[in-house]
Amino acid sequence: KNEVEQSPQNLTAQEGEFITINCSYSVGISALHWLQQHPGGGIVSLFMLSSGKKKHGRLIATINIQEKHSSLHITASHPRDSAVYICAVQLIQGAQKLVFGQGTRLTINP
Amino acid sequence: DSGVTQTPKHLITATGQRVTLRCSPRSGDLSVYWYQQSLDQGLQFLIQYYNGEERAKGNILERFSAQQFPDLHSELNLSSLELGDSALYFCASSVGVGGGTDTQYFGPGTRLTVL
Repeated sequence: KNEVEQSPQNLTAQEGEFITINCSYSVGISALHWLQQHPGGGIVSLFMLSSGKKKHGRLIATINIQEKHSSLHITASHPRDSAVYICAVQLIQGAQKLVFGQGTRLTINP
Repeated sequence: DSGVTQTPKHLITATGQRVTLRCSPRSGDLSVYWYQQSLDQGLQFLIQYYNGEERAKGNILERFSAQQFPDLHSELNLSSLELGDSALYFCASSVGVGGGTDTQYFGPGTRLTVL
């Protein structure tokens, strides 16, 4: 079993819909990252969370440390939000390296 | 633009060859991280350097090595290349050693194709 699991793996929605991507992890972490990877391959760091909730524009990220679960929400989705969204956790044990989920491919149709 | 630069953007080479990938971190960042993204394995952490010293090691093969120079740029050396080494190689940088408040900024990646 992977240490970081994301769901769904693929998500297709219509423009304007509210989007939720989930991330569950099974290890002790010091932080959780949400990353966005566009079709060209570039990776952008969206959020880094260690507790609670963060908001940036139409993006909201939440984390529940007790339940080892995080969600990324996109409000009023737009075709330009189409990308792969990757959850990554920073381990407490060992080297504080990032361990990545397999990614969620989001497609927003106009 | 994250401020992290990587060269080259694309690299095509043959099996058995050796290549060097280069990364320049954002100004002021002391840590450099290397990641590999292949189709079957997804993103994997390879290695981290902090201020010239190796800080953390992940799933890095013995055929691969890295270093961080006094000017803080880093190089990832891949030798005896195999077809399975074809992947996107990302470099990221951060200010500190990588704790819970240390955001990593990713470079655009180098796409390596081994034929």
